[in-house]
Amino acid sequence: GQQVMQIPQYQHVQEGEDFTTYCNSSTTLSNIQWYKQRPGGHPVFLIQLVKSGEVKKQKRLTFQFGEAKKNSSLHITATQTTDVGTYFCAGSPSGDMRFGAGTRLTVKP
Amino acid sequence: DVKVTQSSRYLVKRTGEKVFLECVQDMDHENMFWYRQDPGLGLRLIYFSYDVKMKEKGDIPEGYSVSREKKERFSLILESASTNQTSMYLCASSPPGQGAYEQYFGPGTRLTVT
Repeated sequence: GQQVMQIPQYQHVQEGEDFTTYCNSSTTLSNIQWYKQRPGGHPVFLIQLVKSGEVKKQKRLTFQFGEAKKNSSLHITATQTTDVGTYFCAGSPSGDMRFGAGTRLTVKP
Repeated sequence: DVKVTQSSRYLVKRTGEKVFLECVQDMDHENMFWYRQDPGLGLRLIYFSYDVKMKEKGDIPEGYSVSREKKERFSLILESASTNQTSMYLCASSPPGQGAYEQYFGPGTRLTVT
């Protein structure tokens, strides 16, 4: 079954609102990666987190890795229509990456 | 730029047919992966390979096999296609190091089995 759980499955926001997706694992992860898949496209790597409690920022995107290395989040501040897509987390509990089911973000202009 | 190519964007096959999905990467990556993507289920790992002639089962290998005769090429084989194998198939590659590096994805093959 799915070793990495991701919520919510869908999120619809008004442009300018914030957005957060969460990723949880029952086991400790050695690292976590985040990917974005635009509609009709393929997943594209965004970032990797390795250290406990790590926080990384990319412009309006903030990525966090939990202290116990079992959860992670991606937060987008002031969403834009270009943020539309599905965001996946991928965790490595035992050397092989396992993807969450993804959060599909739609943004209303 | 890393380029991962897949042999077809769309494929329609009949139940019982043997299906070959080809994936080629041009960055000399050791690691290659096959996933299937279904709505609500995300990307599920079918098989992966860390080296030529080497293969490992992922989470859903039943009904599939793979071949890695050359470093740049990783083939997914559906021995006898069934309708429940209708899906989007994504190939990916990454540099060596288990789970440590980003994966580069191909454009995907949307397979329909009728």
